Amino acid sequence: DAKTTQPPSMDCAEGRAANLPCNHSTISGNEYVYWYRQIHSQGPQYIIHGLKNNETNEMASLIITEDRKSSTLILPHATLRDTAVYYCIVRINNAGNMLTFGGGTRLMVKP
Amino acid sequence: ETGVTQTPRHLVMGMTNKKSLKCEQHLGHNAMYWYKQSAKKPLELMFVYNFKEQTENNSVPSRFSPECPNSSHLFLHLHTLQPEDSALYLCASSLSGLSNTGELFFGEGSRLTVL
Repeated sequence: DAKTTQPPSMDCAEGRAANLPCNHSTISGNEYVYWYRQIHSQGPQYIIHGLKNNETNEMASLIITEDRKSSTLILPHATLRDTAVYYCIVRINNAGNMLTFGGGTRLMVKP
Repeated sequence: ETGVTQTPRHLVMGMTNKKSLKCEQHLGHNAMYWYKQSAKKPLELMFVYNFKEQTENNSVPSRFSPECPNSSHLFLHLHTLQPEDSALYLCASSLSGLSNTGELFFGEGSRLTVL
């Protein structure tokens, strides 16, 4: 699986949009971009994934650049409960391929 | 509530003890996983079971022994552990085979302290 690069930490004001970047410049054509988050002392939680089109669900939006070398996870109105470590993972959607978690970005939402 | 339940949530054991961690999922999934998360380290995959068969062992020491009696239950048997094995042990489940979309459902973890 391709490696990803994320900033180690970010701050965001409560109620504002949180934009979390991820660089995956070596991504291959059949690798999807996944985002998970881990709130302190809990298990990771799936957020969203996509291949090349932008995706939106009730939790977040995923914007993938046209060349697919980077992506941004957007939390439109961050709340204090969104404080967590956010993981960007690229993976081929094949049953034999596991999810490999890196260091992620620690997002702190401040009042 | 993720549909994946882990017990106990906290465990303290001595290096000569034998204990077990339990995981149960109510999602109808066929694949189950053990991950280890040590302080300030990324999650590390330990074991994978698909349809009760172990399909991955990520070079885990033999003092960790997994057991998967059916697709809904997964155990991690612990014996002769070392203090460096202290960590958060996370169980996860997913659909398997061609349906594997990379969506893992995690439990809340078992926090293990080895004295």
